[in-house]
Amino acid sequence: QSALTQPASVSGSPGQSITISCTGTSSDVGGYNYVSWYQQHPGKTPKLMIYDVSNRPSGVSNRFSGSKSGNTASLTISGLQAEDEADYYCSSYTSSSTLVFGGGTRLTVL
Amino acid sequence: EVQLAESGGGLVQPGGSLRLSCAASGFSFSSYAMNWVRQAPGKGLEWVSGISGSGGSTYYADSVKGRFTISRDSSKNTLYLQMNSLRAEDTAVYYCAKPLLGILRGLDYWGQGTLVTVSS
Repeated sequence: QSALTQPASVSGSPGQSITISCTGTSSDVGGYNYVSWYQQHPGKTPKLMIYDVSNRPSGVSNRFSGSKSGNTASLTISGLQAEDEADYYCSSYTSSSTLVFGGGTRLTVL
Repeated sequence: EVQLAESGGGLVQPGGSLRLSCAASGFSFSSYAMNWVRQAPGKGLEWVSGISGSGGSTYYADSVKGRFTISRDSSKNTLYLQMNSLRAEDTAVYYCAKPLLGILRGLDYWGQGTLVTVSS
């Protein structure tokens, strides 16, 4: 159950778009369309932003979008805002009927 | 309104045991699977365990298999995590989380967490 691979940090200026990658294997990301993304502000609980690769829960801004190609999933945030500065985690269902998270990506809005 | 409230955390010595509880309200508890996710201080999220709505199916991360037991009591709308043979590396904030769909797809509600510290 190795963690999914995410970049440690990404940054962007307000109004720009950024993409965070999440790389796994054919036993998790590549094998199932059950990738989720979470946003976590310091001292707060995680918030579900994307589920099942590209679906947004009710109330999540359409500036957030998800996609997947092969063993790599991606989260794109468009029209970057200061409030988007947070840690982002991906997760995936695995062939062992478990859940695996990525190591997390710190997004800095310049 | 969905609410999840964890309790039972605290300081425990290595090798000791602790039972965490998660009181759920605002949704049909028995209709949903539930999960435990932990976060060590300053670290990322780690899924710990999941259980089906009926309680008949349980799932564990390799790191806790054989030491932790997840269970639920639908009459009390409460989720549990029995933690035995605790190690220093089990030190973390433990969250209970409800999935949007299935058992492990999209955790849409999280409790505030309870801190478990394993130290002598």
